[in-house]
Amino acid sequence: DGGITQSPKYLFRKEGQNVTLSCEQNLNHDAMYWYRQDPGQGLRLIYYSQIVNDFQKGDIAEGYSVSREKKESFPLTVTSAQKNPTAFYLCASSIVGRSNYGYTFGSGTRLTVV
Amino acid sequence: QQQVKQSPQSLIVQKGGISIINCAYENTAFDYFPWYQQFPGKGPALLIAIRPDVSEKKEGRFTISFNKSAKQFSLHIMDSQPGDSATYFCAANFGNEKLTFGTGTRLTIIP
Repeated sequence: DGGITQSPKYLFRKEGQNVTLSCEQNLNHDAMYWYRQDPGQGLRLIYYSQIVNDFQKGDIAEGYSVSREKKESFPLTVTSAQKNPTAFYLCASSIVGRSNYGYTFGSGTRLTVV
Repeated sequence: QQQVKQSPQSLIVQKGGISIINCAYENTAFDYFPWYQQFPGKGPALLIAIRPDVSEKKEGRFTISFNKSAKQFSLHIMDSQPGDSATYFCAANFGNEKLTFGTGTRLTIIP
């Protein structure tokens, strides 16, 4: 089945640590996105990429970094510079060049600072 | 303007009733308006979508109503069921632009 796989489902980070969240898709989608969701809140865009080896900052990119070395993969690193990283992180993908197609989301990674 | 304003923030509806969630947009270039449904601990899933060349789209108990002149669109859930309890997001975009999401509505269906 085609879809987006996010791992791990739960992640615990110590103060000062960098952690990397995995996002893999087998939908052959060009674009991939990372969103942050806080309890009872909406979706805030962190980074997005429409093509391999290229990505753009979203609304809340500070303290995060990404890479897009392969079409299928778009890992997100939460760095120690992100002071309040506890949140639910969602990865999504979509087709580029075919408008009005919508996004497919993964099941999310819940990150907690301990 | 890229904003999509969604209301209400939360909604409680009795089982069997009609749930109505509203969204308003400003960018007249938007030409795709999807709704997403999100259950706790899960990612959002596409529920239903509409383009501005039609005023209404129905899929089962879910209907999108679209008012182009007012720049508003709404989701109606008929015969609401406890299993419909979730957070709903409206969104909009055009061309290759990324989706702009509303802030979400937490819907609770009570017996």
